[in-house]
Amino acid sequence: EVQLVESGGGLVQPGGSLRLSCEASGFTFSSSWMHWVRQAPGKGLVWVSRIRSDGTYTAYADSVKGRFTISRDNAKDTVFLQMNSLRGEDTAMYYCAKEGSSLDYWGQGTLVTVSS
Amino acid sequence: QSALTQPPSASGSPGQSVTISCTGTSSDVGGYNYVSWYQQHPGKAPKLMIYEVSKRPSGVPDRFSGSKSGNTASLTVSGLQAEDEADYYCCSYAGNYIDVFGTGTKVTVL
Repeated sequence: EVQLVESGGGLVQPGGSLRLSCEASGFTFSSSWMHWVRQAPGKGLVWVSRIRSDGTYTAYADSVKGRFTISRDNAKDTVFLQMNSLRGEDTAMYYCAKEGSSLDYWGQGTLVTVSS
Repeated sequence: QSALTQPPSASGSPGQSVTISCTGTSSDVGGYNYVSWYQQHPGKAPKLMIYEVSKRPSGVPDRFSGSKSGNTASLTVSGLQAEDEADYYCCSYAGNYIDVFGTGTKVTVL
């Protein structure tokens, strides 16, 4: 059974940093592209970032480019999202998702709140 | 990277059909056959319902179907059931390994 478990969310002040983790199981992690998608409270889904299976290619939404960094550790079946220079508009539930037939499996999300 | 446009809401009675549109541009929806649709119930993670415009993952009822014409993709839910009441989001590849989601549609079963 495919499982994705996010962690690392919490309350952070504007300008601060946070590192999210997503631990995967039930599939060959090292063969799968992985994504982060976020959803502000009461709002829609927004694609954030993706990383190639071997970690050699990454892409970002314009809204987070230069502030967020996606990475992965295939030995630990984990994908990360390092978030720096956080702003109020980054407040959201952050989901990791596996790319197979599109985004075919999602975690339950981790909540990030940016507030003073 | 502008969000794809979806109607805010759609509704239908049990047994009826509802169709949700997803309008983009030639740089996303119109340029690639990589449109997917996700269902999200309140407080839950999204669930993949349609991928590559019209393909259904294993386990998704055949009441759900997808299509595309030009820059607009559509999701049709036939034979509406109470459990179909949810938010639905389209998503399209937009080139350069970027994806873009739609604005979301709340489907109500009357």
